Amino acid sequence: DVKVTQSSRYLVKRTGEKVFLECVQDMDHENMFWYRQDPGLGLRLIYFSYDVKMKEKGDIPEGYSVSREKKERFSLILESASTNQTSMYLCASSSKANQPQHFGDGTRLSIL
Amino acid sequence: KQEVTQIPAALSVPEGENLVLNCSFTDSAIYNLQWFRQDPGKGLTSLLLIQSSQREQTSGRLNASLDKSSGRSTLYIAASQPGDSATYLCAGLPNDYKLSFGAGTTVTVRA
Repeated sequence: DVKVTQSSRYLVKRTGEKVFLECVQDMDHENMFWYRQDPGLGLRLIYFSYDVKMKEKGDIPEGYSVSREKKERFSLILESASTNQTSMYLCASSSKANQPQHFGDGTRLSIL
Repeated sequence: KQEVTQIPAALSVPEGENLVLNCSFTDSAIYNLQWFRQDPGKGLTSLLLIQSSQREQTSGRLNASLDKSSGRSTLYIAASQPGDSATYLCAGLPNDYKLSFGAGTTVTVRA
């Protein structure tokens, strides 16, 4: 089975901090994704990566950046955390564009 | 941009009843459609994926159909159980990597 592991289930940070969310997949998947999920807004794509060191903006990239130095790891960075970035963050991976996306358990991030 | 709608937003049924969950999408040029399950506070679990060339997929008590011409997909869950209580999301993939998610249907199966 595909395993997508997010480093933290819950995280509390302060406004202005630089925040790193880590995601690791164990199936040698080409593609990795970061989403946020908010009540009433559903899941929205922040960034995705289709290869090492490659990244593409999703629908809501503002205030975020990403890093993919190794195939199995995809990091989401909040450069200067703000309260409106309090959310559930979900990482996913897929082998190819037309194959299923597999999700991690999510990180519930609170910015105070 | 692909828009995905799921109706109803919530559903409550007695145990044993069959569940029918609906998903509609605006752009018939989808690459595939994926159904997920989400338990409270958890990530998404992939249930079924239907490629654009397929009309349905089955896994155990689950069956998903796809009608591209009408822009609809339906997830059937046979003989529902309390453990089926969760939120079910559908997501359409156009010709790039960006899944478009519906808002989900929250299902409660009463024992």
